[in-house]
Amino acid sequence: DVKVTQSSRYLVKRTGEKVFLECVQDMDHENMFWYRQDPGLGLRLIYFSYDVKMKEKGDIPEGYSVSREKKERFSLILESASTNQTSMYLCASYRQANTEAFFGQGTRLTVV
Amino acid sequence: QKEVEQNSGPLSVPEGAIASLNCTYSDRGSQSFFWYRQYSGKSPELIMFIYSNGDKEDGRFTAQLNKASQYVSLLIRDSQPSDSATYLCAVTGTSGTYKYIFGTGTRLKVLA
Repeated sequence: DVKVTQSSRYLVKRTGEKVFLECVQDMDHENMFWYRQDPGLGLRLIYFSYDVKMKEKGDIPEGYSVSREKKERFSLILESASTNQTSMYLCASYRQANTEAFFGQGTRLTVV
Repeated sequence: QKEVEQNSGPLSVPEGAIASLNCTYSDRGSQSFFWYRQYSGKSPELIMFIYSNGDKEDGRFTAQLNKASQYVSLLIRDSQPSDSATYLCAVTGTSGTYKYIFGTGTRLKVLA
């Protein structure tokens, strides 16, 4: 049974804090990505990784960074959390282009 | 112009009717097309994928692809209240990248 696991289901952080969101997949997939999902805006790509230590900016990378030191783990970092980063964050992985993406359960982050 | 466009809805259909969900995409180089279903508060899950022009059927679901018109649709026959969800259209293989591009989703309501 394929699995993508995000470290937290719900998080509440204070403005200015550094926040780490972790994502682990057990399918040996090369490709992993982070989206945020907001009402009316759909899924917006933050960062994407197609290999260990490789990363590519998505559509809204400002205020975020990522780390992929191991194939199975892709971390999203909010350098200094702000209230406009309150959102649902979804991690997903897939083996190669044109195949199914598997999603984690999502992390609902609230920045106060 | 958005790369993948969907009508946000809500689309309301009576139980037992056919629900028709539509999606257009802008890049003619797109190779693969996916429909994901997302229940409120949950992660997206794959329903159908289609690579070639024409129809593809799986149970009550039919995906239709017309590359000339850059159009992909999802038909749900004998709609059930449990089909009420947001349906996300996704496109990959765009311009030689490995990225998934998602539409903003169409909210479907099946009325009992």
